[in-house]
Amino acid sequence: GENVEQHPSTLSVQEGDSAVIKCTYSDSASNYFPWYKQELGKRPQLIIDIRSNVGEKKDQRIAVTLNKTAKHFSLHITETQPEDSAVYFCAASIDQAGTALIFGKGTTLSVSS
Amino acid sequence: DAGVTQSPTHLIKTRGQQVTLRCSPKSGHDTVSWYQQALGQGPQFIFQYYEEEERQRGNFPDRFSGHQFPNYSSELNVNALLLGDSALYLCASSLARDRGGNEKLFFGSGTQLSVL
Repeated sequence: GENVEQHPSTLSVQEGDSAVIKCTYSDSASNYFPWYKQELGKRPQLIIDIRSNVGEKKDQRIAVTLNKTAKHFSLHITETQPEDSAVYFCAASIDQAGTALIFGKGTTLSVSS
Repeated sequence: DAGVTQSPTHLIKTRGQQVTLRCSPKSGHDTVSWYQQALGQGPQFIFQYYEEEERQRGNFPDRFSGHQFPNYSSELNVNALLLGDSALYLCASSLARDRGGNEKLFFGSGTQLSVL
């Protein structure tokens, strides 16, 4: 079955720096890759997603890149702010609808001012 | 517009007991998925219900079962509880024939289950 590996497990940056989180997946049939942000005690919230027919997607300070051949995808956050501090999860879908997800173990991002 | 609601928010059980968790999907959604999130880990897919049937299942034992009602709400049942079942249980809803929109899977805030 699908397996998603996520690195690093923790990431500390200074405000204004960029942050990059990387994930790899094992099942070449996966075609939907969302990223979730989870603040302490709150529900995971989608921040950006990408489908396998696209190589890159950007939304303001957040971008995701996908290399389908290498089976890896990355989250890029530019101009980080303290409110970006949270746990970030990557995921890969095991269904066509993109609702049955296999998650990575998460990256705790700390942005210090 | 209410989002995904789960009850109870917290629950304490002892080993061997059975537990039922409940979920009401976001208005307009017809599919419910359940995830288990252990402390410091990512959510793990348990199963998904659509049209009152289990459509897909993750790598969880038969002690984990579920149900979906005609109004799309869902229950997660766990029998013979183990200490390792202690986790945050997240319900997520979606629309089977989604035609777009930013968020395909909408999570509830979860039920924190502690098994003593």
